[in-house]
Amino acid sequence: EDKVVQSPLSLVVHEGDTVTLNCSYEVTNFRSLLWYKQEKKAPTFLFMLTSSGIEKKSGRLSSILDKKELFSILNITATQTGDSAIYLCAVEVGGGSNYKLTFGKGTLLTVNP
Amino acid sequence: EPEVTQTPSHQVTQMGQEVILRCVPISNHLYFYWYRQILGQKVEFLVSFYNNEISEKSEIFDDRFSVERPDGSNFTLKIRSTKLEDSAMYFCASSETLYLGYTFGSGTRLTVV
Repeated sequence: EDKVVQSPLSLVVHEGDTVTLNCSYEVTNFRSLLWYKQEKKAPTFLFMLTSSGIEKKSGRLSSILDKKELFSILNITATQTGDSAIYLCAVEVGGGSNYKLTFGKGTLLTVNP
Repeated sequence: EPEVTQTPSHQVTQMGQEVILRCVPISNHLYFYWYRQILGQKVEFLVSFYNNEISEKSEIFDDRFSVERPDGSNFTLKIRSTKLEDSAMYFCASSETLYLGYTFGSGTRLTVV
């Protein structure tokens, strides 16, 4: 059975702190790893990672994938209260034209002023 | 920015009734999905749909569930004979190709009473 494990499950920090969220996986037919931010309802797309060792950046957020050790990290620097959300890691698995996402439980990040 | 639109945002139904959850994917997207999230649990894959047929379905997607793309814009999930355990947030997602990630709608909260 495909498995995606995120840690920590929750985290409370102060504005300005840097946080690192972890995602490890054990799946068959790996294609990519995706990070989403879930605030009220819809998961909103952050990053899609397919290659090991190549960092993706968007403002204060960055992410990297290690396909040998089967994990990814999501870094957020200089955190703001607006970063408070659940961060979801999902691994895309499949083949041919059939792909689906297997999600972790998420990390609940709370950024206090 | 293009969005995946879901209606209604909240649906309450009596056990045993049929419900239809509606989604309007992004217009040039070709791959469509339904996921669900039971309160406090992981987001789970239900079904993928491409070229007017189901590509893959999970064990959750039993014979009470069906999907349809009745015209060029809507993508629906029908649940017959609803059960209490069907209560969840249902997310529709779409993707343009198999390489560009997935856009999620804001979800329909289904409550079966």
